[in-house]
Amino acid sequence: GAVVSQHPSWVICKSGTSVKIECRSLDFQATTMFWYRQFPKQSLMLMATSNEGSKATYEQGVEKDKFLINHASLTLSTLTVTSAHPEDSSFYICSANDRGEFYGYTFGSGTRLTVV
Amino acid sequence: GENVEQHPSTLSVQEGDSAVIKCTYSDSASNYFPWYKQELGKGPQLIIDIRSNVGEKKDQRIAVTLNKTAKHFSLHITETQPEDSAVYFCAASRYETGNQFYFGTGTSLTVIP
Repeated sequence: GAVVSQHPSWVICKSGTSVKIECRSLDFQATTMFWYRQFPKQSLMLMATSNEGSKATYEQGVEKDKFLINHASLTLSTLTVTSAHPEDSSFYICSANDRGEFYGYTFGSGTRLTVV
Repeated sequence: GENVEQHPSTLSVQEGDSAVIKCTYSDSASNYFPWYKQELGKGPQLIIDIRSNVGEKKDQRIAVTLNKTAKHFSLHITETQPEDSAVYFCAASRYETGNQFYFGTGTSLTVIP
């Protein structure tokens, strides 16, 4: 089945620094990838929709200048948390599916970000 | 927009018993309803899904039912095993909105050996 690889699985950074998270579709091409944020014991909240070759679409309340998304190829989307603060600490998850296939989105394994 | 509610938030069952998790949605145009299992520190994994043109789908010990009129769908796990212990999320989606998923709040299932 489709595999979505997400790296790193965890990262600790200092306040004010930037962190990049990668999401790769390993055996399929993904024109669309989604980035979610999940706080402990809570549900997944959609942050943005990443479209290959175009600008990402951000959900209301998500700062696009803080959470930079780049989807430069059909197999890679990156999320960069800029000038990170402790309140940005969370679990970030990406998802994707086969191009042209509506059903059966696959999620990455997630990235635990801790800002100290 | 779509609003998905999920109940119960926690569920404990004895090994071998059945577990049922229920979700309701608000947007009658939603036409795809997946269920995901999330283990601690991992991303969600799709375990079963159902489309709006089907009322029930089964895959071994797992089944999902959909009532479009009442706008609710349920996950049924039979003969539960300790490895079924995890957080389960339901979701609703509509193809016309670009596949955006609206997730329920999750159910923490514990199967007691």
